[in-house]
Amino acid sequence: KAGVTQTPRYLIKTRGQQVTLSCSPISGHRSVSWYQQTPGQGLQFLFEYFSETQRNKGNFPGRFSGRQFSNSRSEMNVSTLELGDSALYLCASSVGWGVTGNTIYFGEGSWLTVV
Amino acid sequence: KQEVTQIPAALSVPEGENLVLNCSFTDSAIYNLQWFRQDPGKGLTSLLLIQSSQREQTSGRLNASLDKSSGRSTLYIAASQPGDSATYLCAVRSTGANSKLTFGKGITLSVRP
Repeated sequence: KAGVTQTPRYLIKTRGQQVTLSCSPISGHRSVSWYQQTPGQGLQFLFEYFSETQRNKGNFPGRFSGRQFSNSRSEMNVSTLELGDSALYLCASSVGWGVTGNTIYFGEGSWLTVV
Repeated sequence: KQEVTQIPAALSVPEGENLVLNCSFTDSAIYNLQWFRQDPGKGLTSLLLIQSSQREQTSGRLNASLDKSSGRSTLYIAASQPGDSATYLCAVRSTGANSKLTFGKGITLSVRP
């Protein structure tokens, strides 16, 4: 069974531009969450979706947004890119959400470089 | 606010050694704790998931324990191998309306042949 798929894997953007990252969860998984990983801050939670609804959100500015589609695929968007947005963006999926205590599975990530 | 700490940040051991990786968290109101492995430039691979009602989980050479009341978890790796070299992260899922996973910064393990 295919794992979590993230596209694109690598991208370079210029300050002020916007970017959209895509995540396809494991088949049958309805929860998708997003994380930002940087050397200084480590892994930080961005948001989590379940059944097309955002269930919770981390402490990131409004430039970071996301959505989930009816087939559970998810996208995240970062507008007005800043140099500090350069990071590995990781998507994870699980069968359920929150209290269900399911194992979560990560994709390989999207490496974003802002220049 | 939940905080997860993993100390030390890096560890180097000779092959064959049994080792323990530590994880501590500040808020014991958790649903579960999960250990992950991350290889350089890659995503995270789940190793073990411990529910809050459990004390430990085992998978092969790995054993993870959870002491929720003291806010501690350990990952025990038996007979370490060079292939175990990676960064190991623990994460806790907090209870409450804003339930989310909070990660430690990880322990980078190097197993020397």
